[in-house]
Amino acid sequence: EAGVAQSPRYKIIEKRQSVAFWCNPISGHATLYWYQQILGQGPKLLIQFQNNGVVDDSQLPKDRFSAERLKGVDSTLKIQPAKLEDSAVYLCASSLLAGTGILGYTFGSGTRLTVV
Amino acid sequence: LAKTTQPISMDSYEGQEVNITCSHNNIATNDYITWYQQFPSQGPRFIIQGYKTKVTNEVASLFIPADRKSSTLSLPRVSLSDTAVYYCLVGATGYSTLTFGKGTMLLVSP
Repeated sequence: EAGVAQSPRYKIIEKRQSVAFWCNPISGHATLYWYQQILGQGPKLLIQFQNNGVVDDSQLPKDRFSAERLKGVDSTLKIQPAKLEDSAVYLCASSLLAGTGILGYTFGSGTRLTVV
Repeated sequence: LAKTTQPISMDSYEGQEVNITCSHNNIATNDYITWYQQFPSQGPRFIIQGYKTKVTNEVASLFIPADRKSSTLSLPRVSLSDTAVYYCLVGATGYSTLTFGKGTMLLVSP
């Protein structure tokens, strides 16, 4: 089974620029998550999708972050404009279906963003 | 969500058994305990999940006492490749959002 695919693997941008990350979940996984992981900390949930609808975006800084999951498959996370504190690894994860338990989360390898 | 407390770091040597204990004093009746492993430059990976007593798979064992206020992840005969951060998470079966703490950094030396 193919894993969760993310791109790009690395990205370096200047502050105030914009950036986008792409995620392709495991086929058939209805639930998709974006996490932000700052160096030395555990991942923090930014947004959760169920199919193409948002379930939880309470921790997403909506003034600069946006995410979409068109057609309930691939997802894009965008930051505009970026700040220095956005430097982190952005992880995408997917699971079969929300409500089936916390088993079955599969994470991608992440995108490492450096804002200079 | 039940809050978890685990050591920041642990050191071990190859071939030893490693036990990482996680405290979750306010665990709810329908909460499960799940452990994830994260290597540098990778996303977290599911290791094991349990509700009570003992669970064992090909990677680790999970010991949960009767009061369920703590749990212990046991890694038998660790190798250098077990060097990673280990996260303990607690959540209900029907609650699918994972909330991570800082985890335990395990360093295995030769």
